[in-house]
Order: sequence, then C-alpha cells, then structure tokens
Amino acid sequence: KQEVTQIPAALSVPEGENLVLNCSFTDSAIYNLQWFRQDPGKGLTSLLLIQSSQREQTSGRLNASLDKSSGRSTLYIAASQPGDSATYLCAVRPRETSGSRLTFGEGTQLTVNP
Amino acid sequence: GAGVSQSPRYKVAKRGQDVALRCDPISGHVSLFWYQQALGQGPEFLTYFQNEAQLDKSGLPSDRFFAERPEGSVSTLKIQRTQQEDSAVYLCASSLNDRALAKNIQYFGAGTRLSVL
Repeated sequence: KQEVTQIPAALSVPEGENLVLNCSFTDSAIYNLQWFRQDPGKGLTSLLLIQSSQREQTSGRLNASLDKSSGRSTLYIAASQPGDSATYLCAVRPRETSGSRLTFGEGTQLTVNP
Repeated sequence: GAGVSQSPRYKVAKRGQDVALRCDPISGHVSLFWYQQALGQGPEFLTYFQNEAQLDKSGLPSDRFFAERPEGSVSTLKIQRTQQEDSAVYLCASSLNDRALAKNIQYFGAGTRLSVL
C-alpha cells in the first residue's frame, strides 16, 4: 500500500525566505506526482505536476523535483510572501492503467510572516 | 461551469440521520472522484467514476456510504445512519479524460464540511 509522508508538518518563516517542503512515498511505481495548495475552507489547487519520467517542474517562484528511485520529492518556494501561507499537499498517482486515485500526504502548513 | 461545484458547503447532521452531498463537475469532464478529508489530514480516496460507471469504490469506509452518477455528470455521495466518525470535509474532483493518464490533472471543489453531532 502506497504511503506518502510530508515533513515538516508545520513551518513558520519570515517573508522573503527561500524554503523547501519535503514529500516521500514508499512505492516508486508511480505515474506522476502533484503538489497542491489548500487554503482554509477551500478546495485544492494544483500547483505542479511532475511525470514519472521527469526530474523537475517550475512555475514562477515554485520548483518541484522528483527522485522516483528514492521515493522523494521537494517543493522549493523562492522569496516567500505572506500570500503563500497555506497547506501544501503532495499526492502520487499509481502507474497501473486503471489506477486513478491519488494518495495524499498529510500536508505541510506554511505560515509566512510579514 | 467554471469549476467543480459542491453543495451544500456545510452540513450539520444528527447521529443516525441520512445525508446527501452533491457534486457538479466541470462540464465535459469524464472522470469524477470523491475524497474524504479528516481534520488535519490529507484527503483519502473514496470512489471513482468514469462517466456513469463506478470503476473503483474500494475506498468507501462502510456499506453506509453510497455514491452514484446516473447520467455521467452530477454525482451524489450518500451517507446513511451518520456517525460521529463521518465528520470530515468531503471533496469532489473531476478530470477531463482518464485515457491520457499522464497529463490528467484533477480539479477539486471547495468541499462539503459535514459535522455529525
């Protein structure tokens, strides 16, 4: 059974800092990995999707890397802003063709202080 | 519509009451997913539809949970005889077409927060 772990569970940083969120998964047979953002009382917003054959994806100040063989992904946020405060979730999708479910980690709650 | 819409946003139920949660996916999206998110946890998969066919219901926690999507668009998640442990946010997601697995992003609704007293 796939298990996804995110470290740290919570993180508080001053505005402007660069930071790294970590995600690990136990089964490397994945099709892709996604990073989501969740604001209180709202649904999930997809930030980045990395295919299993890719090593990284970038969008603006966000960069996500994937090391499938070691079961790890990192989300790098450059020059953090108070508006980045949210819970960040990573999720993996299995490789089998009928597997559509996402398995999520428990999330990292990020607070960026002005 | 512009996004995945869920209703109601909040539901308070007395223990033992039946509830029905509605999901309107993005128009034209073939795949629809239900997830359950307990407080402080990540979402956990409940069930998955491709059009009107329920292809995976292995995540439903008990036979009190039932989901349907009779016309391949709107879906309803029904919970019978609710219990306190059913209290959670129920998230619905849709994606365009499951055949293109690699690029299929799931778009999530805001969820229904269910509180069972």
